[in-house]
Amino acid sequence: EVQLVESGGGLVQPGRSLRLSCAASGFTFDDYAMHWVRQAPGKGLEWVSGISWNSGSIGYADSVKGRFTISRDNAKNSLYLQMNSLRAEDTALYYCARSGGGGSGYYHDAFDIWGQGTMVTVSS
Amino acid sequence: EIVLTQSPATLSLSPGERATLSCGASQSVSSSYLAWYQQKPGLAPRLLIYDASSRATGIPDRFSGSGSGTDFTLTISRLEPEDFAVYYCQQYGSSAITFGQGTRLEIK
Repeated sequence: EVQLVESGGGLVQPGRSLRLSCAASGFTFDDYAMHWVRQAPGKGLEWVSGISWNSGSIGYADSVKGRFTISRDNAKNSLYLQMNSLRAEDTALYYCARSGGGGSGYYHDAFDIWGQGTMVTVSS
Repeated sequence: EIVLTQSPATLSLSPGERATLSCGASQSVSSSYLAWYQQKPGLAPRLLIYDASSRATGIPDRFSGSGSGTDFTLTISRLEPEDFAVYYCQQYGSSAITFGQGTRLEIK
């Protein structure tokens, strides 16, 4: 079964750091680009970051650029999001998502598989 | 970045009726790299349509997508009870991927 399972969320104080993980199974991980998408409580979807299959192409939303770092370990079938200098507005459910294989970039494909998300709450 | 504006914000219809959801882009979406997702409460989004008009695997043929450039439409031909949910459009043609704000499809 194709599956993405996020972990690492929790309650963190403003200004602190958190690292999210996404474990992939049921497909050839390094054939696909991967992404993080977040959803604040009661709000819509916001793309956070994407990474190509070989980490050669990476992108970030302006709202997290310079604070968040996406990475992947294809040997471990895992995706990561290092979140530094967290703010209250980063509070959200963070989803890991897969986009279509092929190509050297992280965009030009829709997100066909999603995890169930991990909740991050930034509050003092 | 490309801003996507969905309309209407809320659509109230009855089962069996036809639903038409719109997504407008602030600039042309490259190669019709436009997708539609359905999200139900407490669940992750589900891909319905990609490349503006291609149905994703397992999606019923009552769902169809159309459009190009800056104007896109998701049509549900005959609403089933399980179709009432929130729908998002997404463009993935530029390096700054963006989503619309969503349309809530509710039972009238």
